[in-house]
Amino acid sequence: SAVISQKPSRDICQRGTSLTIQCQVDSQVTMMFWYRQQPGQSLTLIATANQGSEATYESGFVIDKFPISRPNLTFSTLTVSNMSPEDSSIYLCSVAIPNTGELFFGEGSRLTVL
Amino acid sequence: KQEVTQIPAALSVPEGENLVLNCSFTDSAIYNLQWFRQDPGKGLTSLLLIQSSQREQTSGRLNASLDKSSGRSTLYIAASQPGDSATYLCAVRLSSGDKLTFGTGTRLAVRP
Repeated sequence: SAVISQKPSRDICQRGTSLTIQCQVDSQVTMMFWYRQQPGQSLTLIATANQGSEATYESGFVIDKFPISRPNLTFSTLTVSNMSPEDSSIYLCSVAIPNTGELFFGEGSRLTVL
Repeated sequence: KQEVTQIPAALSVPEGENLVLNCSFTDSAIYNLQWFRQDPGKGLTSLLLIQSSQREQTSGRLNASLDKSSGRSTLYIAASQPGDSATYLCAVRLSSGDKLTFGTGTRLAVRP
């Protein structure tokens, strides 16, 4: 398994500001994923964070809005830029265990944008 | 495009009842399927992972089955408890490097 820590666990932000979410894993992993879960919805993949290269974004998500860093095999950050109330969601970091492909999640970061 | 559907969307049962949650997917050529539990406002907890070559997995009171040919998986919960109350999500992956596609979830309430 993998233990994933996310910070902050929750935050209330003003429109137009940016917030960076941190994700720390207790072991080295190749693939880290960032998901968004809007209120009452299931999870949507934002991007795959690759160590040493640019993140791969899903359709509908762009780097200018959601810049991602992946400086090493245990850490990643997701920034939500120029926030609007529509960005109010839970943002979740996850990793895949190499030998089984099992996915583990952090506790999530609940963002409320006023 | 893979689509994952979960039925029912919500379920309320009395404590002690056995129950089945259903997950359907449109593309049967999956790599694996995973069941998660999510408590309100929290992250996801992995419950069971079924590889494409497997037909079922068991953990305690939980049993998950996989029928690729019909595009279905079920999660069986035996002797339900109020602590089982949560949203249950299934997710499928088409290949080892592919993303997971999540279902819409089943919100379970177990009444004392």
